[in-house]
Amino acid sequence: DTGVSQNPRHKITKRGQNVTFRCDPISEHNRLYWYRQTLGQGPEFLTYFQNEAQLEKSRLLSDRFSAERPKGSFSTLEIQRTEQGDSAMYLCASRQGSPEAFFGQGTRLTVV
Amino acid sequence: GEDVEQSLFLSVREGDSSVINCTYTDSSSTYLYWYKQEPGAGLQLLTYIFSNMDMKQDQRLTVLLNKKDKHLSLRIADTQTGDSAIYFCAEQVVSSNTGKLIFGQGTTLQVKP
Repeated sequence: DTGVSQNPRHKITKRGQNVTFRCDPISEHNRLYWYRQTLGQGPEFLTYFQNEAQLEKSRLLSDRFSAERPKGSFSTLEIQRTEQGDSAMYLCASRQGSPEAFFGQGTRLTVV
Repeated sequence: GEDVEQSLFLSVREGDSSVINCTYTDSSSTYLYWYKQEPGAGLQLLTYIFSNMDMKQDQRLTVLLNKKDKHLSLRIADTQTGDSAIYFCAEQVVSSNTGKLIFGQGTTLQVKP
């Protein structure tokens, strides 16, 4: 297994456009998390899936954000009508029953 | 609410020991973590400690936990230039039952040759 995979690694988009990111967790990891990291800060929790069920969403996740995990495997995070404040690194993490959470390399979003 | 604080910057000479400190507020945290992040990359899990332990050692890494003071530290022995990175302390939030992590703002470790 190659670990948590995120695509794309970098995305530059114009303000107002929609973007979608993908996360492929480690095989058989039933727990999946999305975090956002802005420059000079630690990651902040956005949302959590257990299998295909989205069980928690942060207040950071505005109406323009939506996340899915349709078959309990990969997940997508969509941002509609992007704003400059959405520019950040979006990180995905997965885990199974153990306390170890493994992160992907992230998707760096730049909104111009 | 939960909060994690770290000092922002540490500079050491190659071969010295580095000690990165962290304080947290949630006394019910079950696990505490240290992650490493190199420029432009994701987070690499270094180690974690269960809250009923006070020390954990893993090769050059030693984690010390003072639960009474809610203080966590990471000691890196024989620090190398390849250890230069940002180090994040994180606690697992018990109250939400999801296993989500609350991170500090990160400590930048600079290792001088």
